[in-house]
Amino acid sequence: DTAVSQTPKYLVTQMGNDKSIKCEQNLGHDTMYWYKQDSKKFLKIMFSYNNKELIINETVPNRFSPKSPDKAHLNLHINSLELGDSAVYFCASSQAVGSTYEQYFGPGTRLTVT
Amino acid sequence: GDSVTQMEGPVTLSEEAFLTINCTYTATGYPSLFWYVQYPGEGLQLLLKATKADDKGSNKGFEATYRKETTSFHLEKGSVQVSDSAVYFCALNAGGTSYGKLTFGQGTILTVHP
Repeated sequence: DTAVSQTPKYLVTQMGNDKSIKCEQNLGHDTMYWYKQDSKKFLKIMFSYNNKELIINETVPNRFSPKSPDKAHLNLHINSLELGDSAVYFCASSQAVGSTYEQYFGPGTRLTVT
Repeated sequence: GDSVTQMEGPVTLSEEAFLTINCTYTATGYPSLFWYVQYPGEGLQLLLKATKADDKGSNKGFEATYRKETTSFHLEKGSVQVSDSAVYFCALNAGGTSYGKLTFGQGTILTVHP
């Protein structure tokens, strides 16, 4: 029944490691997003894919690499993790690209880098 | 660029009090406006939206009116409940070349006491 799911929910790792976060949506949407929420709750877009094509790539370090194997999945791989990467990462999806389409968010993945 | 400014929090109210959370925005064109709510430990849920000037979004007793002349989208509720305690985010989607990106305000933490 879950519309947008993410795994894992919690991720604790050491600096320098490589990790991935997975996202799946069962809403039949064409567009998926990754947002980062910092410790002050501020949310910022990182990436967006529409029909498996990258359409938004905000100023994110190239250690972050999104991959969309199909329209229902958008994964986030992070290389050489740094302390500043600690945050909650949210996946979202929308029916299409456009200003009126609401976005549905996953439960978030809390990443802690030690 | 596009931006959203919310009133500083946290906001603490007694049950049945009146709630207003101010939100103003800066955007080119005609953005859609949203209020999202984040309950503790959860992802974001859409609370309400408005896609054009003078539209009023409403849901669960919450209301907000899209005021183009004052570039505002203030959230109101006549009588809050303890269960309304959460973080509230105002957001805009400018459409066009923003490709569906949501630009968020900084969030307002609301605590309602019995």
